Amino acid sequence: GENVEQHPSTLSVQEGDSAVIKCTYSDSASNYFPWYKQELGKGPQLIIDIRSNVGEKKDQRIAVTLNKTAKHFSLHITETQPEDSAVYFCAAADYGNNRLAFGKGNQVVVIP
Amino acid sequence: DGGITQSPKYLFRKEGQNVTLSCEQNLNHDAMYWYRQDPGQGLRLIYYSQIVNDFQKGDIAEGYSVSREKKESFPLTVTSAQKNPTAFYLCASSIATGTGGNGYTFGSGTRLTVV
Repeated sequence: GENVEQHPSTLSVQEGDSAVIKCTYSDSASNYFPWYKQELGKGPQLIIDIRSNVGEKKDQRIAVTLNKTAKHFSLHITETQPEDSAVYFCAAADYGNNRLAFGKGNQVVVIP
Repeated sequence: DGGITQSPKYLFRKEGQNVTLSCEQNLNHDAMYWYRQDPGQGLRLIYYSQIVNDFQKGDIAEGYSVSREKKESFPLTVTSAQKNPTAFYLCASSIATGTGGNGYTFGSGTRLTVV
């Protein structure tokens, strides 16, 4: 099955700076990569996703890039704000098990 | 509005007691999932179902049971065999799995505490 790893586990950034979270995956057949944001005490919310026929996707201050050759994808948050503080999970489609494989999550802390 | 609803938000269980967590969706999604989340931990899959009357064990199914009698509903029972049930439980749903990959919609979670 698919194995997804996230780095770093915790990331602290000054408000206004950029944050980047990187994930690696193991199955070259995976072709769908979503990112979720989880605020304290709530369920994860899908914030952006990318399919393997696209190298980059943007939505306002967030973007995701995909490098299929290296089997990694990254979440980029620009002009960070305090409300960006949360846990972020990456995932990849695991066709062998017919579900998403999740990374362990990154705690992002935006320092005002 | 379409969505996925988990209830109750907080649940307290006595030692040796079975409890059932509710998960209902009106998104017309085929697949539903249950995850367990411990403090500072990621999402661990308990059970999932891709179609009514069928479900599969996830990575940590021991001490849990599920049913899928209706497309909209996927209740999770935490049995007395689960020795450490205190955790945050998340239900999710998605359109049919298989080719293409699809995102999940998560509920707001149930926090279960053993007292």
